[in-house]
Amino acid sequence: GNSVTQMEGPVTLSEEAFLTINCTYTATGYPSLFWYVQYPGEGLQLLLKATKADDKGSNKGFEATYRKETTSFHLEKGSVQVSDSAVYFCALEIQGAQKLVFGQGTRLTINP
Amino acid sequence: EAQVTQNPRYLITVTGKKLTVTCSQNMNHEYMSWYRQDPGLGLRQIYYSMNVEVTDKGDVPEGYKVSRKEKRNFPLILESPSPNQTSLYFCASSPRFGTSGRGYEQYFGPGTRLTVT
Repeated sequence: GNSVTQMEGPVTLSEEAFLTINCTYTATGYPSLFWYVQYPGEGLQLLLKATKADDKGSNKGFEATYRKETTSFHLEKGSVQVSDSAVYFCALEIQGAQKLVFGQGTRLTINP
Repeated sequence: EAQVTQNPRYLITVTGKKLTVTCSQNMNHEYMSWYRQDPGLGLRQIYYSMNVEVTDKGDVPEGYKVSRKEKRNFPLILESPSPNQTSLYFCASSPRFGTSGRGYEQYFGPGTRLTVT
């Protein structure tokens, strides 16, 4: 079936550290891939997306590349800030389906 | 301001007492969906709607009902809530869905935290 596996959290880093949150997926066809972010007390909002293999999504200093050969969409940021503290969800949209499949979420805390 | 609103934001109720969580969007989106968020499980889809009068089950529909009589509204109904429905609920909308390769963004409401005792 279709599924998303994210790196276990929580993740705690110091400000200006390099961030990687791993995401791998299992899917039939050619899904679109997303990273959503949930700040404390808020709903999810789209951080970035990629709709085909080798595409790179980027936003707010975050990047992720759609790797079909390794079925991965790892999230990276070169220098994190305290304001990046949130829960991050990797998700895929199944071609022809009517839903997003989410990973379990990774809680990120950045200390000053 | 383009947004998805949900009410109430917090609700504590007792087993068996019918309740409705409202969801409204002002973006003229065709697609709307309800998710529940539980620790360690991510978000799971409850029901979705492709357009007015078109609804279908998601992954965890048991114990829930929905309706889509108007494009902007998509209420979630719990006819007889039980403690295992204690969760954080999100409504989301999107311009459309199911079109391959387009990757439409879903816009989420702020969430409704429901506790059933």
